[in-house]
Amino acid sequence: TQLREQSPQFLSIQEGENLTVYCNSSSVFSSLQWYRQEPGEGPVLLVTVVTGGEVKKLKRLTFQFGDARKDSSLHITAAQPGDTGLYLCAGDSNYQLIWGAGTKLIIKP
Amino acid sequence: DAGVIQSPRHEVTEMGQEVTLRCKPISGHNSLFWYRQTMMRGLELLIYFNNNVPIDDSGMPEDRFSAKMPNASFSTLKIQPSEPRDSAVYFCASREWSSYEQYFGPGTRLTVT
Repeated sequence: TQLREQSPQFLSIQEGENLTVYCNSSSVFSSLQWYRQEPGEGPVLLVTVVTGGEVKKLKRLTFQFGDARKDSSLHITAAQPGDTGLYLCAGDSNYQLIWGAGTKLIIKP
Repeated sequence: DAGVIQSPRHEVTEMGQEVTLRCKPISGHNSLFWYRQTMMRGLELLIYFNNNVPIDDSGMPEDRFSAKMPNASFSTLKIQPSEPRDSAVYFCASREWSSYEQYFGPGTRLTVT
């Protein structure tokens, strides 16, 4: 089972640029999580958002949960090569995670 | 804590052979999840357990796949017989029952030739 849409699927930008990744669904989630996965490793949790309209910041990363708790966005300011990876969103439904297809992000130095 | 431990990290086998993947969840976590990840299909939930009991196995692709959790610290995912289309990275994840957050192991990369 996958979330309706995670976009873009692939993004390659230069170091220092800003970007936003979107995660949309028709379902309401009790929480939504963002994970980052690097090659050869499992996904690692970045943040969990729970309340509609909630905004959380993690250094240069800003996460927002939509007011209706159906969608979320991840904004990266001044992207660095270390931000390269696969970004996955996952909505919590009855303690199962419903996953997005992922956004593959490449930051070129 | 060492985190979720999976073994082996890599497995190469021939079609028709039995494959067993192993997982040790984080101590104190009472939910365990098996996932499969491929380029084409992304991350797919295969089965999950609460307190060692399988709750939802609707993601298990066929009868060739089976999973067990004999105790709180160990789970296996078995494929018998294996087929080339089973080639993927298999992840195990665990979670505290009251938490939203899952913690993943490093995965087992399975190649069936």
